[in-house]
Amino acid sequence: AQTVTQSQPEMSVQEAETVTLSCTYDTSESDYYLFWYKQPPSRQMILVIRQEAYKQQNATENRFSVNFQKAAKSFSLKISDSQLGDAAMYFCAYMPWYGGSQGNLIFGKGTKLSVKP
Amino acid sequence: EAGVAQSPRYKIIEKRQSVAFWCNPISGHATLYWYQQILGQGPKLLIQFQNNGVVDDSQLPKDRFSAERLKGVDSTLKIQPAKLEDSAVYLCASSSRTGLAGTDTQYFGPGTRLTVL
Repeated sequence: AQTVTQSQPEMSVQEAETVTLSCTYDTSESDYYLFWYKQPPSRQMILVIRQEAYKQQNATENRFSVNFQKAAKSFSLKISDSQLGDAAMYFCAYMPWYGGSQGNLIFGKGTKLSVKP
Repeated sequence: EAGVAQSPRYKIIEKRQSVAFWCNPISGHATLYWYQQILGQGPKLLIQFQNNGVVDDSQLPKDRFSAERLKGVDSTLKIQPAKLEDSAVYLCASSSRTGLAGTDTQYFGPGTRLTVL
């Protein structure tokens, strides 16, 4: 079964510092996508960053970057220069790719990030 | 570009009552998803439409849940009769996925928080 595990239910970071959120996944597929979504109290899920499994280069989006370790099935999110607006639930998600057709999005349980001023 | 719209934002009902949620996807998006997010968990896919056809409803409790997407645009999700365990946030998402190879970013609406008493 394909599963996504986020081992940190809660994390805290000081404003302007860096924090890393962990995610591991289990799959037998070789092709897939990985995502980090942010869900603030407003409940709207916002895509933060995505990674294609066939790409060796780690994805980056401004202050957000990932450390994708395919062999270890690990996909961590690093947030640099943390801002108060980064406080939210962060969900790691996995989507398999079946030779041209995409599977469903599978989410982890989330990590609640607090940012201290 | 307008995002995914959902209504109502909140709904409180008693068990055994019925309830309906509405979703309007991003204009032009062929694929529409309904997710259930129970408190403390990540979203779980209930049903996926492509245009007005069902692609995957394997996790939809069909004895009480139903969904439709008339004319391939708006969608409604209905629960009848509701149970206590149906208390959750119901998220709608859409993507431009057409079944062909390509990226597939899902854009989420703000969700409907359902409380069943």
